Amino acid sequence: DSGVTQTPKHLITATGQRVTLRCSPRSGDLSVYWYQQSLDQGLQFLIQYYNGEERAKGNILERFSAQQFPDLHSELNLSSLELGDSALYFCASSPRTGETGELFFGEGSRLTVL
Amino acid sequence: AQSVSQHNHHVILSEAASLELGCNYSYGGTVNLFWYVQYPGQHLQLLLKYFSGDPLVKGIKGFEAEFIKSKFSFNLRKPSVQWSDTAEYFCAVTAYNTDKLIFGTGTRLQVFP
Repeated sequence: DSGVTQTPKHLITATGQRVTLRCSPRSGDLSVYWYQQSLDQGLQFLIQYYNGEERAKGNILERFSAQQFPDLHSELNLSSLELGDSALYFCASSPRTGETGELFFGEGSRLTVL
Repeated sequence: AQSVSQHNHHVILSEAASLELGCNYSYGGTVNLFWYVQYPGQHLQLLLKYFSGDPLVKGIKGFEAEFIKSKFSFNLRKPSVQWSDTAEYFCAVTAYNTDKLIFGTGTRLQVFP
């Protein structure tokens, strides 16, 4: 158990819909990262938050948005879903920003878009 | 932009065979290098990391990796694999003093008894 909690574990929805994925970081960790894992793209970095502020951005589509709340949990919002958005979405956390080290990953949320 | 290449997509070995998984990165500056492992049905976890110092780093479960700066490589090795090493292995890199961890596409290792 990494200490990072993601919900839901599985989600099936239709094209055009909107979903929200939730992540609770390890106790005390201030940084939260979101990654998308698909068969053809591998693990893609989407976005990072540190203590409520966006810190780094990767290959995140405009249809996707994220935020980190005062209690440090984070949500990834995916809208106008397309078939290609079907993937495993991972959240990870780490204690501080600017200190490259170990990321602690959750078990992922598997999104299926039909 | 940084990128990571893992040339072996799928490796199949028998128990006790030696393992070497290739990892090359592209970035001109100082980097920090990682290997993560994802066992079936589990979350990604850190296997080993290199920040500085001895280029040969040892990780958990008998794994080691060697950083060769001139080749931009960070290959993962294990002298004798076990069935329990069946997993997906990801090489990752961050530019020095940044947080963006960039992963390779992963190598799926299957070990047969």
